[in-house]
This record gives sequence, structure tokens and C-alpha cells, in this order.
Amino acid sequence: SAVISQKPSRDICQRGTSLTIQCQVDSQVTMMFWYRQQPGQSLTLIATANQGSEATYESGFVIDKFPISRPNLTFSTLTVSNMSPEDSSIYLCSVASGAINEQFFGPGTRLTVL
Amino acid sequence: AQSVTQLGSHVSVSEGALVLLRCNYSSSVPPYLFWYVQYPNQGLQLLLKYTSAATLVKGINGFEAEFKKSETSFHLTKPSAHMSDAAEYFCAVGYTDKLIFGTGTRLQVFP
Repeated sequence: SAVISQKPSRDICQRGTSLTIQCQVDSQVTMMFWYRQQPGQSLTLIATANQGSEATYESGFVIDKFPISRPNLTFSTLTVSNMSPEDSSIYLCSVASGAINEQFFGPGTRLTVL
Repeated sequence: AQSVTQLGSHVSVSEGALVLLRCNYSSSVPPYLFWYVQYPNQGLQLLLKYTSAATLVKGINGFEAEFKKSETSFHLTKPSAHMSDAAEYFCAVGYTDKLIFGTGTRLQVFP
């Protein structure tokens, strides 16, 4: 399985500001995903990060709020823009390489917005 | 459309007792099914996966799950709970390129 790292591991931010989260994988992967896990909740897929093209967003998530970059097959960033306290969550990236949806997750970024 | 239902948001067992975490799926095609575990302040770790090769799947840390098509279930079991098993457990079904997660079950283990 791939080794995935995320930066930062946690942050406390002021409302109205933006935070960029980085996801780095130790090998090339086909698919990269970004999830949100609100306190005490399950995981919700934000978007699929596509290499060389715009990310594919799930219903309820928009590019202006969650811009995503994926410049190569081992790296992606998620920006949480114009933050509000409702954005306080754990943000996780995951990767998949096979045809059976098996995904491996990074350690997550714990975001608190004041 | 695919969906996953986990019955019981909290399960409590004594150390050494059987662990049973329930997962039912809805799928219009043969599914890929997964169990993940999340320890406090950590990401998700894959416990086991069903990919149609065998109905009884063995995973890490002594966990296993049985795929029962007639019951559309994929329950997770462990014969003897250990204190270190206390965590959040998520069942997931594969859908196109994505995973659809259940709402999770928090397992507590008492001495």
C-alpha cells in the first residue's frame, strides 16, 4: 500500500481566511480523492482530484470554496476558502490505483475555524 | 444506487467477548465491500475487503467478515475483543471509482 502524508496535521484558523492542505504520496497513483469528516460524522467525498485537469466535485461542493490542484501523479492540494466555523472538520486525502475502489488514506488534517 | 447501512452507532463489549459490527449494503451489481478502522486522531486503515473471490474474508488484527448475498450483509466479527480494538469502524461499498461510506460504529471495549 502507498504511504500518504498530509500537511499540516492540524491548524486553527480565523474565519474569512483560507488554508491549503497538501497531500503527498510515495508512489504514482491513478486516483486521488479529498474527503471531509465533520465532528462525530462519517466521511463525505468532496471531489476527485484529476491529474492535469479540473477536479470532479460532488453535489454540494464547489470549486470556489474548495479549489483543488493535482500537478502530478503523487501530489495534490485542497484549499478551504473563506472559512467559517462550519468548515471545522477533518480533511482526508486518499489514493487508489486498482480497479476495485480500494483506497488508502492519509492521516488527515484537523481544522478548527474560530 | 449504492448505499451502506451500519446498524448501531455504538457497540460495547467486554474484553474477550465476541465483536459483531453489522453492515448491510444496497447494490444493483456485485459489490466491492470494505471495512475500515479509525483510531482516535488518526486516518482510516483498511481492515479487509471483499472482491468476490471468497465469501469469508480475513483481515488484519484478527477481524473477519462474511459476504452474504441473500441477506445483502457484510458483518464484521472478531472472536475475542481486545482493549486496543476500541475505535470507529466504517463499512464502505465501491461505486464506480468511489467509495460510499456507512455512518460508522464506535466500538468500546471494557475490561
